[in-house]
Amino acid sequence: AQKVTQAQTEISVVEKEDVTLDCVYETRDTTYYLFWYKQPPSGELVFLIRRNSFDEQNEISGRYSWNFQKSTSSFNFTITASQVVDSAVYFCALSEANFGNEKLTFGTGTRLTIIP
Amino acid sequence: DTAVSQTPKYLVTQMGNDKSIKCEQNLGHDTMYWYKQDSKKFLKIMFSYNNKELIINETVPNRFSPKSPDKAHLNLHINSLELGDSAVYFCASSLRESAYNEQFFGPGTRLTVL
Repeated sequence: AQKVTQAQTEISVVEKEDVTLDCVYETRDTTYYLFWYKQPPSGELVFLIRRNSFDEQNEISGRYSWNFQKSTSSFNFTITASQVVDSAVYFCALSEANFGNEKLTFGTGTRLTIIP
Repeated sequence: DTAVSQTPKYLVTQMGNDKSIKCEQNLGHDTMYWYKQDSKKFLKIMFSYNNKELIINETVPNRFSPKSPDKAHLNLHINSLELGDSAVYFCASSLRESAYNEQFFGPGTRLTVL
């Protein structure tokens, strides 16, 4: 069964600091996909990134970067030079490529607060 | 243009009532989902539909019945509401029924059962 663990329940950092959100996953499948979603205070869920299990390249998008390591089953998310607008709950999620059961399993989320 | 829309945004009702939440997507996607987010922010899938057919039913009480009149709509009807049903319900859609496709979420419906 698939499982996603986000051990950090809440993180607070001062604006402009870097912050890393941890995500550890469990799956028996060799083909799977990892996602990060952002849920700002307004409540909607915003897709940030998808990574497939065969692509361990790290990705950078502006101030955001993702580190995928299969050896440790982790898919961590780093925000560089954080801004107040980054304050949100961030969810890591996993989807296994099981035909007929391609569901997203979410972690419990990390609430990030950026202090001005 | 809103991609995935839900109505109503807020729903306050008494225990025992029956209520419906509507969801529509204009993205041309084949697959739609319902998720429940509890007070601790935990998100869990309830149902998924692909081209109007039920694909996933995650051990949800029979009081919850999804209905998909066409692939752009997935409504959620809840009978005999209970206090524990209070949550935010999110509708989502994806291009196809595939683990690869990212899901696009609606704004959520906050249901409060008194």
